[in-house]
Amino acid sequence: DIQMTQSPSTLSVSVGDRVTITCRASQSISTWLAWYQQKPGKAPKLLIYKASSLTSGVPSRFSGSGSGTEFTLTISGLQPDDFATYYCQHYSTSITFGPGTKVDVK
Amino acid sequence: EAQLVESGGGLVKPGESLRISCAGSGFTFSLAWLSWVRQSPGGGLEWIGRIESGGTTDYAAPLKGRFTISRDDSENTMYLHLNSLKTEDTGVYYCAWYYYDSSGYPYLGFWGQGTLVTVSS
Repeated sequence: DIQMTQSPSTLSVSVGDRVTITCRASQSISTWLAWYQQKPGKAPKLLIYKASSLTSGVPSRFSGSGSGTEFTLTISGLQPDDFATYYCQHYSTSITFGPGTKVDVK
Repeated sequence: EAQLVESGGGLVKPGESLRISCAGSGFTFSLAWLSWVRQSPGGGLEWIGRIESGGTTDYAAPLKGRFTISRDDSENTMYLHLNSLKTEDTGVYYCAWYYYDSSGYPYLGFWGQGTLVTVSS
């Protein structure tokens, strides 16, 4: 089974900061990777799929990159609404989630 | 506008069974691939399995045998049958609808709001 890891587990930042979250797969997953944002008490919300494709309606400050085993989610200029937990997810024949990265206030 | 609404969660005792539902609207339900995902109180997300249009199912290996996914397209509803429940099955259960990327691979594009299942004596 493919395992997903994320770093860091927690990120303390300020509004306006550039944020980078890393996700690694235990073996190559091409670009079969999605990123989700989750706020407390809410369902995960899809941000990015196919490693770098932005979902309709998601602000352009969110971007994704990578292929193979290493991927990044970047938030260029963090906004107050962006404090949340972010999960990466591998998809193909089955689905595996990373453990999450919590972005909180410095 | 698409909607997925889960229901049927609640408090059950270890060893008991439960059926939870996911009602879809605003899209062609019978053509949709759908999935169940759960989230433990500690926060981790775990894929349970999926059901394709036509009814073919696939499950995460650790849960195969205890959990069963089914669908009734006439009612636009998907079900998750949970058997022999354990305390570690406690969590929020989400249903989700698969979208397809440009290579034709399915990913979880749209999620319901979840239903809470608590397994406790």
